[in-house]
Amino acid sequence: AQKVTQAQTEISVVEKEDVTLDCVYETRDTTYYLFWYKQPPSGELVFLIRRNSFDEQNEISGRYSWNFQKSTSSFNFTITASQVVDSAVYFCALSGLNQGGKLIFGQGTELSVKP
Amino acid sequence: DVKVTQSSRYLVKRTGEKVFLECVQDMDHENMFWYRQDPGLGLRLIYFSYDVKMKEKGDIPEGYSVSREKKERFSLILESASTNQTSMYLCASSPGLAGTDTQYFGPGTRLTVL
Repeated sequence: AQKVTQAQTEISVVEKEDVTLDCVYETRDTTYYLFWYKQPPSGELVFLIRRNSFDEQNEISGRYSWNFQKSTSSFNFTITASQVVDSAVYFCALSGLNQGGKLIFGQGTELSVKP
Repeated sequence: DVKVTQSSRYLVKRTGEKVFLECVQDMDHENMFWYRQDPGLGLRLIYFSYDVKMKEKGDIPEGYSVSREKKERFSLILESASTNQTSMYLCASSPGLAGTDTQYFGPGTRLTVL
C-alpha cells in the first residue's frame, strides 16, 4: 500500500528558530516522486519541491532544505530561521506511475511561527 | 507561471441543487484533477482527466461527475448536492505523464451545502 505519514500534527516555534517537518512514506514502486506543498490560510496549495526516487541529493533553496533518505523512507523538510510568514499547513505527498496519476498526501503539519 | 483558476472561492448551495465547479488552467497541461479536502481526512482524489473527454475515477467519485470538453477546462458537477458534500474543493493540473509531474493547484472553492 502507498502511504505518507506526517506524525507531527502541529508545531509551534518562535521566530528565528529552525524547525524540521517529518515525512515518512511507504511504497512498493521502484520509481516514485515525492513532493512538499505549503497551504497558507488562504487555502491554495503552493508547490515547494519535487524529488524523484533516484535522486537522493539533499536540496537547499534559501531558508528551506530537504533531506531525502531512501534507507529510512523519509523526506524531511527543514526551515531555517523561521518567519511568521512560514505559518501554514505543510503537506508531504507521494506519486508514481502505478498510482493512477494521483497524489497521496500525508495528513499535514500545521506550523505556527510566533513573533 | 502556472495559473490554475477556479470559478468561485466561496459557494453556498441548497440540498438537491445541481452545482458546477469550474477549473481553468492556462499552461496547456494534459492532466487535470479534482480533490476535496476535509479536516481529519486530508485530500482525497475525486476524479481526474488525462485528455479531453477522458476521465478516470479517483478514490471518492460517488455523487460527482466531471466534464472536460476543452483541454484547459475541467468541471466538477454535483448532480444533487447533499450536506455531506460541504467541503473545500481543489483543482490541479499537471503536464506530461500523470503520476510523474508536479501538480499545480488552484485557490480552492469552499462549498457549503445547506
